[in-house]
Amino acid sequence: AQRVTQPEKLLSVFKGAPVELKCNYSYSGSPELFWYVQYSRQRLQLLLRHISRESIKGFTADLNKGETSFHLKKPFAQEEDSAMYYCALMKTSYDKVIFGPGTSLSVIP
Amino acid sequence: KAGVTQTPRYLIKTRGQQVTLSCSPISGHRSVSWYQQTPGQGLQFLFEYFSETQRNKGNFPGRFSGRQFSNSRSEMNVSTLELGDSALYLCASSPATGTGELFFGEGSRLTVL
Repeated sequence: AQRVTQPEKLLSVFKGAPVELKCNYSYSGSPELFWYVQYSRQRLQLLLRHISRESIKGFTADLNKGETSFHLKKPFAQEEDSAMYYCALMKTSYDKVIFGPGTSLSVIP
Repeated sequence: KAGVTQTPRYLIKTRGQQVTLSCSPISGHRSVSWYQQTPGQGLQFLFEYFSETQRNKGNFPGRFSGRQFSNSRSEMNVSTLELGDSALYLCASSPATGTGELFFGEGSRLTVL
C-alpha cells in the first residue's frame, strides 16, 4: 500500500534562513504529489502540487522519483510561514488522497 | 463563494451511541471526501463520494458509513461509538473527483465518553 512519511514532526528555523521540509513516499508507480498547509486557526489548504511546477509563497517542491521524495523548499523563511505542513499523495487520478503525518514549522524571528 | 460547512462543530457522545455529521460542499463541487484526524494517526481517509456514489473507501470498520445527496451535501454516520472514535472529522470538497485538490471544512470534533 502507498505510504507518505515526513521524518520531522517539528522543525524550527530562523527568519531568513533556508527551510526544507522532507517528504518521502512508498509507491512504485507515478503518483501525484501535493503539499497542504494549515496556518494557525485556519483550514487545511492546498499549497502546491507537483504537476503545476509552480512556486507558491516562495515555496517550491521537486519530485525525485529515484529517491521517492517530494521535499518542500524555501530559500528565505518568513515568520508567516509558521504552520503545519502535510505532504500528500494520490496514487492515480480518481484515487483517494492520503496524507503524511505532518511537520510543524516554526520560524523564529 | 462560501466555504465547506460542517455541522455540528462540536459534540459529545457516550459509548454505544451513534452520530451523524453533515457536510455542505462549496457550491458547484460534486466530490466530497471525509477524513478522521487524531494526534496519533494523523489524517486518515474514510471515504469519497461523487454524484451520490461512493468512489473510494478507506480502511475503517463498517460502523463508519456515509452518503451523498443529489445536492452534493454529504453525511457520515458512526454507529456503536467507541472511545477511539474521538477525533476531528474533516470534510473536503472538490470540483471533480480525482483532482487531488481538496477544499477543507473546519471539522466536527467528536468526543466519546
